[in-house]
Amino acid sequence: NAGVTQTPKFQVLKTGQSMTLQCAQDMNHEYMSWYRQDPGMGLRLIHYSVGAGITDQGEVPNGYNVSRSTTEDFPLRLLSAAPSQTSVYFCASSYRLRSRPYGYTFGSGTRLTVV
Amino acid sequence: KNQVEQSPQSLIILEGKNCTLQCNYTVSPFSNLRWYKQDTGRGPVSLTIMTFSENTKSNGRYTATLDADTKQSSLHITASQLSDSASYICVVSANFGNEKLTFGTGTRLTIIP
Repeated sequence: NAGVTQTPKFQVLKTGQSMTLQCAQDMNHEYMSWYRQDPGMGLRLIHYSVGAGITDQGEVPNGYNVSRSTTEDFPLRLLSAAPSQTSVYFCASSYRLRSRPYGYTFGSGTRLTVV
Repeated sequence: KNQVEQSPQSLIILEGKNCTLQCNYTVSPFSNLRWYKQDTGRGPVSLTIMTFSENTKSNGRYTATLDADTKQSSLHITASQLSDSASYICVVSANFGNEKLTFGTGTRLTIIP
């Protein structure tokens, strides 16, 4: 059972380039989310999805897009990379308990550097 | 503003010793509190989750406590092992329609032989 798989593990982009961070889960979880982790700060929510076809913004959504065409996949797109987007990105999925996300499983992260 | 503060920022202890990590929060309305372990270069892994009515939860050598009145939690690690070297993150959930998690910045624990 793979859990949450993120690709790539490392990426270097030039300012202005675009790219997609991939996230896939095989646990049939309805809820998926993207976080970024920066030094000295707690994880911050970028976007989340409560099910296929439904996405919403989190705390720091600017510069990122998401889509959820299937239950399994939740890609994160950087539209025009900026140095401020240098970070470690984590995808998480969770099952629901009493209609709310409960147990979170995190991927191993993508370390992105924008130069 | 919802906040989660952890102390100490870093801690070094000898293998076999016990230690306690602290978490203070101002998240409201409170739903639950989680402790995660994050190894270097990996994603966080859940250790415990406690709701308002629970004041202690154990997972092997890890024991978490919660005082909802004072809005404090602690994570106690017994008989530490080298594999316990990691960051430990306290996460508090607010009870909104779509759950909102507030993450602490973590305590970096290093176990030395």
